[in-house]
Amino acid sequence: GQQVMQIPQYQHVQEGEDFTTYCNSSTTLSNIQWYKQRPGGHPVFLIQLVKSGEVKKQKRLTFQFGEAKKNSSLHITATQTTDVGTYFCAGWSALTNAGKSTFGDGTTLTVKP
Amino acid sequence: NAGVTQTPKFQVLKTGQSMTLQCAQDMNHEYMSWYRQDPGMGLRLIHYSVGAGITDQGEVPNGYNVSRSTTEDFPLRLLSAAPSQTSVYFCASSYSRQAANTGELFFGEGSRLTVL
Repeated sequence: GQQVMQIPQYQHVQEGEDFTTYCNSSTTLSNIQWYKQRPGGHPVFLIQLVKSGEVKKQKRLTFQFGEAKKNSSLHITATQTTDVGTYFCAGWSALTNAGKSTFGDGTTLTVKP
Repeated sequence: NAGVTQTPKFQVLKTGQSMTLQCAQDMNHEYMSWYRQDPGMGLRLIHYSVGAGITDQGEVPNGYNVSRSTTEDFPLRLLSAAPSQTSVYFCASSYSRQAANTGELFFGEGSRLTVL
């Protein structure tokens, strides 16, 4: 079945440093979504990427979808303590996995003030 | 809007007991799903539904049953609880899963289940 790998598992940064998490799928995706989960909370949607090579920005967050639609990344510029949490990617394929989003295991970000 | 409501928030069961986790959404979403989240792991899909009367299995369906008699509700039943089912359970819904623009998943706040 479809597998989505996410690296790194953990990332510790000093406030102000940049952060990147990477997501790789074993199959071509129809879309990829990113979610953030604060400690003790539930996942909250950040963004969806659909097009090959798509790049979207939300303030300090930059999301990319690979040309082959099998990988994606989330980059945070100048991290803040409010960025703490676990970031998940979720891949969906209409052809091979209709109805099912496969989540990566997440990258847990800690930010030292 | 309440969004996605899960009950109970916390539950302790003994091995072999059965229970139902409730999930309701008021957004008229076609798609509903149940995930479990174990420490250090991602979200694993248990069961999902693309509409009333339609359910299907996810990655880890064993030991769980679901039904979808209405658009709003999607209960998850544990038939005979086992310690391996200790986890945090999330219900999530979205308006559609039928096209590339699937729309975001809205998650409930989670139900923390401990099986002794």
